[in-house]
Amino acid sequence: QSALTQPASVSGSPGQSVTISCTGTSSDVGGYNYVSWYQQHPGKAPKLMIYEVSNRPSGVSNRFSGSKSGNTASLTISGLQGEDEADYYCSSYASSSSNVFGTGTKVTVL
Amino acid sequence: EVQLVESGGGLVQPGGSLRLSCAASGFTFSSYWMHWVRQAPGKGLVWVSHINTDGSSTNYADSVKGRFTISRDNAKNTLYLQMNSLRAEDTAVYYCARGRYYNAFDSWGQGTLVTVSS
Repeated sequence: QSALTQPASVSGSPGQSVTISCTGTSSDVGGYNYVSWYQQHPGKAPKLMIYEVSNRPSGVSNRFSGSKSGNTASLTISGLQGEDEADYYCSSYASSSSNVFGTGTKVTVL
Repeated sequence: EVQLVESGGGLVQPGGSLRLSCAASGFTFSSYWMHWVRQAPGKGLVWVSHINTDGSSTNYADSVKGRFTISRDNAKNTLYLQMNSLRAEDTAVYYCARGRYYNAFDSWGQGTLVTVSS
């Protein structure tokens, strides 16, 4: 399984919105509504932010939203805050009952 | 509170073996699929393996298939990863994670570092 493709970095000023894309194939992102997103601060374990494309776990800010179109999923962070500066990874169920992560995106708050 | 605590990492020579453990608490361990995910230094997350609730079904990433074995002891609330024929490219922080919803990982341990080097 090849890693899903994410931009290496995105940036925005406080209060702005940023969107991170996650591109796969019809065997993973495009074939199932089982995309999740994770936030990881340096030296910390990842944290689940979005599951099943667009659902937020309890306790996750509604500034985080997810969507999908074809083979590409997206995570949007609205009202960017300093604490949002972190690495973000998408993940998808893939055929043969496996999982695949994205390449990761570093979000910088200017 | 859900807690996952990994242990067993360390320095091992190429070709060697290591067994990782993940002690779970704060939830009904036997009701959840469990996963191992790794992260090489400065690199991204990579899914390694999963196991279903009773241990009857497992799956592995191609890169570890035939070398790693995932297992669980529901009586001890513990997840394991037996790693054999270790290679330099297996060097990583290994996280155990709880599976929830459909194929999402909603709780993670702090990770344990495995270094494969001579």
